[in-house]
Amino acid sequence: NAGVTQTPKFRVLKTGQSMTLLCAQDMNHEYMYWYRQDPGMGLRLIHYSVGEGTTAKGEVPDGYNVSRLKKQNFLLGLESAAPSQTSVYFCASTTGTTTDTQYFGPGTRLTVL
Amino acid sequence: RKEVEQDPGPFNVPEGATVAFNCTYSNSASQSFFWYRQDCRKEPKLLMSVYSSGNEDGRFTAQLNRASQYISLLIRDSKLSDSATYLCVVNDGSSGSARQLTFGSGTQLTVLP
Repeated sequence: NAGVTQTPKFRVLKTGQSMTLLCAQDMNHEYMYWYRQDPGMGLRLIHYSVGEGTTAKGEVPDGYNVSRLKKQNFLLGLESAAPSQTSVYFCASTTGTTTDTQYFGPGTRLTVL
Repeated sequence: RKEVEQDPGPFNVPEGATVAFNCTYSNSASQSFFWYRQDCRKEPKLLMSVYSSGNEDGRFTAQLNRASQYISLLIRDSKLSDSATYLCVVNDGSSGSARQLTFGSGTQLTVLP
């Protein structure tokens, strides 16, 4: 099992460009999440999904969109990148019970110039 | 006020030392509690769950005080490999929350030879 994978690992964008981050999991998990991590601020939830075809906003959703067309994939889109979106992005998944572990992907380091 | 607060450190301790980290959370309805470990430039990984009765896993002991809304992690006989950032994590587990986790900013530990 690969667990949770993310592509790309690194990306540099110019302000205004768009991109899509892909998260894939092979654990048949129902719930998937996108977080961003900035220095001194911990991980903050951007969007999440409780199942195929459903998405919901997290704590910091502005400037991002997501889609969950297949159970194993969760896509995060930036339509018009801004320097404030420079961050490390982590995807995670879990089966969904209260005490379940969230399994994280290796992260995508995004720089917006 | 942050929902989950931790002393950011850094804690620099010699090998073999005992070190304790504390964490407070603001939501009295929180139901599940965890410590995650994050190595430099890597993804967070579950270290241990925290149960009301306290729990131990080898050199690691976690305790929960619901009345004071306080969580602790004790590491005995510190190893060089324990150097990492330790994240205090709380899952509200309330209806409709979709198993969201709230992360503390982390406490950085460096174990010195």
